[in-house]
Amino acid sequence: DGGITQSPKYLFRKEGQNVTLSCEQNLNHDAMYWYRQDPGQGLRLIYYSQIVNDFQKGDIAEGYSVSREKKESFPLTVTSAQKNPTAFYLCASSALAGGIGETQYFGPGTRLLVL
Amino acid sequence: QKEVEQNSGPLSVPEGAIASLNCTYSDRGSQSFFWYRQYSGKSPELIMSIYSNGDKEDGRFTAQLNKASQYVSLLIRDSQPSDSATYLCAAFSGGYNKLIFGAGTRLAVHP
Repeated sequence: DGGITQSPKYLFRKEGQNVTLSCEQNLNHDAMYWYRQDPGQGLRLIYYSQIVNDFQKGDIAEGYSVSREKKESFPLTVTSAQKNPTAFYLCASSALAGGIGETQYFGPGTRLLVL
Repeated sequence: QKEVEQNSGPLSVPEGAIASLNCTYSDRGSQSFFWYRQYSGKSPELIMSIYSNGDKEDGRFTAQLNKASQYVSLLIRDSQPSDSATYLCAAFSGGYNKLIFGAGTRLAVHP
């Protein structure tokens, strides 16, 4: 049963705390992405990775960090430097990076709330 | 900043009617276009992709692309209450090497 999994479904962050969101895919996709969605807004790209051990900043990378040590995994850390982290976080993957724009498929998302 | 624009809605249509969702994009270098459906509280799911000018049909859905006018649309025939959702339009910008999303159009299909 191929797909993208994200955990946890809900995450609560205390002031000054770093939290890590998990994203795993078993689709054998090369590229993985992290988006943030705020109410009434489109998806904004945080980071993306086209190959293991390499990643690039998106439009709103400040206050976030990522790693890509395995093809299947692309965790996102929301650091204490991110002052407004409350949002719906979506992980996506695509078969090929770049080119004409391969279709991106999304995981179920993690909703992050600040206590 | 390259943009994708959509009317936020809500677009209200009666059950069985045709729903027409529209999208414009600013980057003339965009090469591929996608429509996603997003139910409230859920993640986006792909409905259609389109790469060439003209129409592309898949069941009750038809995507239309006009690159000269920088315009993409999605038609949903025989609309059902289960089609009620937010529809996101996205354009892949080759120059920026990323998918740019519109804010979405909320569709409400009433019985």
